[in-house]
Amino acid sequence: DIQMTQSPSSLSASVGDRVTITCQASQDISNYLNWYQQKPGKAPKLLIYDASNLETGVPSRFSGSGSGTDFTFTISSLQPEDIATYYCQQYDNLRLTFGGGTKVEIK
Amino acid sequence: QVQLVESGGGVVQPGGSLRLSCAASGFTFSSYGMHWVRQAPGKGLEWVAFIRYDGSNKYYADSVKGRFTISRDNSKNTLYLQMNSLRAEDTAVYYCAKDPTVTTGDDAFDIWGQGTMVTVSS
Repeated sequence: DIQMTQSPSSLSASVGDRVTITCQASQDISNYLNWYQQKPGKAPKLLIYDASNLETGVPSRFSGSGSGTDFTFTISSLQPEDIATYYCQQYDNLRLTFGGGTKVEIK
Repeated sequence: QVQLVESGGGVVQPGGSLRLSCAASGFTFSSYGMHWVRQAPGKGLEWVAFIRYDGSNKYYADSVKGRFTISRDNSKNTLYLQMNSLRAEDTAVYYCAKDPTVTTGDDAFDIWGQGTMVTVSS
C-alpha cells in the first residue's frame, strides 16, 4: 500500500499567520490527493480534492498544491476557527490511505 | 438536508460480532458509492471499506478483509457493516461517508455521519 508521510505532526501559530502542512507519498499518485479538517469530537470535513480544488463552501484561505509524491496544504491567514487536525488522503486503485494528521493550535 | 446517521455500535467481546447501520437522507442514495472509515481513540483515520452505488463491487482494507462485510439496501437508503471475529484493535469510532462523485466515484468522502463507537473488550 502507498504510505503517506505528513508533517509536522503538530504546530502552533498566531492568528493571521500563514500555515503550511506537507504530505509525501511513497510513490507517484499523480494528483489523487484530498485534504480534510477534523475538529475535536466531530467528523472530518472535506476541504480540498484532487490536490488543489477547493470544495464548495470552503473559505478561500485554504489551498492545496502538488502532484506526484509531494503535496502542500496552506492556510493563508490562520483564524481561531481553524483549530483542528488536518489529514491528507490518497486514493490509488481503491486502496485509500490517510496521513498521520497535523494538529494545528493557536499560539 | 444531506445526512448520514450511524447506529449499532456498542461493547462486544473479542471474537464477537456486530452490525452497524447508516441511514442516509437528503440525496439519491442509490447513485453514490459509500465508505466506512474508522478512528481508534486518540488516533488517526483509517479507511475500512467501500461499496459501489449499485452494490456491484466491494473493497476492503487488509486489516478487515475476511472479517467485515459491507452491504447496502438502496430501497431502504441504508448502508451496513457486518463485523465478525472482532479484535481489540477494531475498537474505534466508525463513520459512514458518502463519495462525492455520482456513480463512478470511489476516492473521497464529502458527507460524513456523526460516528458510532465500537468497543471490543472482555
